[in-house]
Amino acid sequence: AQKVTQAQTEISVVEKEDVTLDCVYETRDTTYYLFWYKQPPSGELVFLIRRNSFDEQNEISGRYSWNFQKSTSSFNFTITASQVVDSAVYFCALSEVETSGSRLTFGEGTQLTVNP
Amino acid sequence: GAVVSQHPSRVICKSGTSVKIECRSLDFQATTMFWYRQFPKKSLMLMATSNEGSKATYEQGVEKDKFLINHASLTLSTLTVTSAHPEDSSFYICSARETRDSRQYFGPGTRLTVL
Repeated sequence: AQKVTQAQTEISVVEKEDVTLDCVYETRDTTYYLFWYKQPPSGELVFLIRRNSFDEQNEISGRYSWNFQKSTSSFNFTITASQVVDSAVYFCALSEVETSGSRLTFGEGTQLTVNP
Repeated sequence: GAVVSQHPSRVICKSGTSVKIECRSLDFQATTMFWYRQFPKKSLMLMATSNEGSKATYEQGVEKDKFLINHASLTLSTLTVTSAHPEDSSFYICSARETRDSRQYFGPGTRLTVL
């Protein structure tokens, strides 16, 4: 069965600090997708990234970067020079293509608070 | 990008009444839609998978007679919470999967409060 673990329940940083959100996953599939979503207080999920299991290249998008390591089943998310607007709950999610019909399994989420 | 809408965004109802929530894909066709439920400070839990023209597949522990799902067209799925009770109060989120793609696009959510 697929499982996603976000061990950090809450993180609090001061503006301009870098912060890394951890995500560890479990799956028996060889083909799967990993996602990160941001959920601000309004509740609407904001898509950040999708990575397929065959692409281990790290990705950078502005202040955001992602480190995908299949050897440790991790897909960590780093925000560089954090800003107050980054405050939100961040979810990591896994979608197995072969066994689960692309259903999404979410981690428990990490509440990030960026203080001025 | 693909847009998914939900209506209503917020609803308050009395215990015992039924509430219908609509999920629409506005600019793409979705053969599959998903319904999630989120309690405060908790993660999203998949309730059911809805396929156009067929019966929904419910996750373990979700009462199919209480949460009725209809996916009558490629752009609309509805979730009806029947005989709602205060414990059904939650944030309900739908997503739609574009036919050509495996990615899910999420609606803005519906906050249900049952008094």
